[in-house]
Parts: sequence; structure tokens; C-alpha cells
Amino acid sequence: QQQVKQSPQSLIVQKGGISIINCAYENTAFDYFPWYQQFPGKGPALLIAIRPDVSEKKEGRFTISFNKSAKQFSLHIMDSQPGDSATYFCAASGYGGSQGNLIFGKGTKLSVKP
Amino acid sequence: NAGVTQTPKFQVLKTGQSMTLQCAQDMNHEYMSWYRQDPGMGLRLIHYSVGAGITDQGEVPNGYNVSRSTTEDFPLRLLSAAPSQTSVYFCASSLTYGQDYGYTFGSGTRLTVV
Repeated sequence: QQQVKQSPQSLIVQKGGISIINCAYENTAFDYFPWYQQFPGKGPALLIAIRPDVSEKKEGRFTISFNKSAKQFSLHIMDSQPGDSATYFCAASGYGGSQGNLIFGKGTKLSVKP
Repeated sequence: NAGVTQTPKFQVLKTGQSMTLQCAQDMNHEYMSWYRQDPGMGLRLIHYSVGAGITDQGEVPNGYNVSRSTTEDFPLRLLSAAPSQTSVYFCASSLTYGQDYGYTFGSGTRLTVV
């Protein structure tokens, strides 16, 4: 199974700062890259997603940057708030065969300090 | 709509016991899957189904069985529980397999095997 490598494992950011989480993938057949947000005791929820035909996608304070040649993508959280404190997972999938299932990174626990 | 409903929320089993984790969705989603979440391991795919009557193995299928007799339900069976199966289990669904539709996750079942 191809891996999706996520870093850092944990992140502490001051309120108002920028949170950056990075992911790298190996399988060039991947063409869908979502980020999920998970609060304690809850299931993950889709936050934002990108396809490789664009290099950046922004939704409110959340931005995905995508570098196809480097096989890397990252999540930027601008003006981070204590309510953003959660675990974030990157994921990737492709079309067809077994590649249609999402493969998740190991997660980043974000703490935003007031 | 209730979304994805998982029962029970918590369960303690003795080694060797069997049980079924229930998952139901009311969104008429074709795709359903089971993931397990362990600390530092992210979400790992156990089994998935691309439609009623069709199931396949994921990354960590050993010790688990699934069936999909209806579109709505996708139960996960533990045949003979082992301490290594102590985990949080999430059921997820999506409109179709291998397309750019986000997953809807249930709230999880926390299983402890003693």
C-alpha cells in the first residue's frame, strides 16, 4: 500500500499565527487530495480538497498548496484560532482498482494557544 | 438525515469473543468502508464495499469479516477478538467509489479487548 507521509506529528501555534502541515505521497496515480479535521471523540470531517490540475485552493482561512512535481501538498491555516485545535489528516486517492480508497497520513495534532 | 450511524459507541470484549459493529447510512451512498484508528498510526482501511453485494479487503483485513446485503448497512464482524484489535473503529460512506466525493464518517466505536 502506497504511503502518505505527514509532518509534523504535533504543532503548537499562538492565536493569530499560521499553522502549516505538510504531506508527501509516492503514487503518481493519486489525483485527489483531501484534508480532514477531527475533534476529540468525533469522526473525521472533510475540510478542504484539491486536485492536481490546480496549485492552490483557498476556503476561508484554510488553503491547500499543491506541488505536483515534488509530490507534496500542504495545509495552511491563517489566523489560527483556539477552535482550530484538532487533529488534521491529509489523504490521497486515485481512480480505479484499489486506488479509489482514501489513504490517510498519520495525523497532526494542532494546539492553538490563546 | 442522520448521516452515518455507528453502534455501539463503546464496547469491552474478552479475548476470543465475537461481536458485530453496526454501521448504517441514510444518504443512498454506494461506497462504504471501515477504518481503524490507532495512536500515531492514522486511519487504516480494513474492508470496503463499492455497492450492495460487493466487498473487498483493505490494508488490515485479518480478523475481520464484512458483508453488504443492503445499500444502507455495512456491519463489521470480529470473529475472535484479540487485544491487538483494541482500537477506535470508524465507518465511512461516499456517494461513489474512486471519485472526488468526500467521505462522511460516523462518530466511531471505541473497542477494548481484554
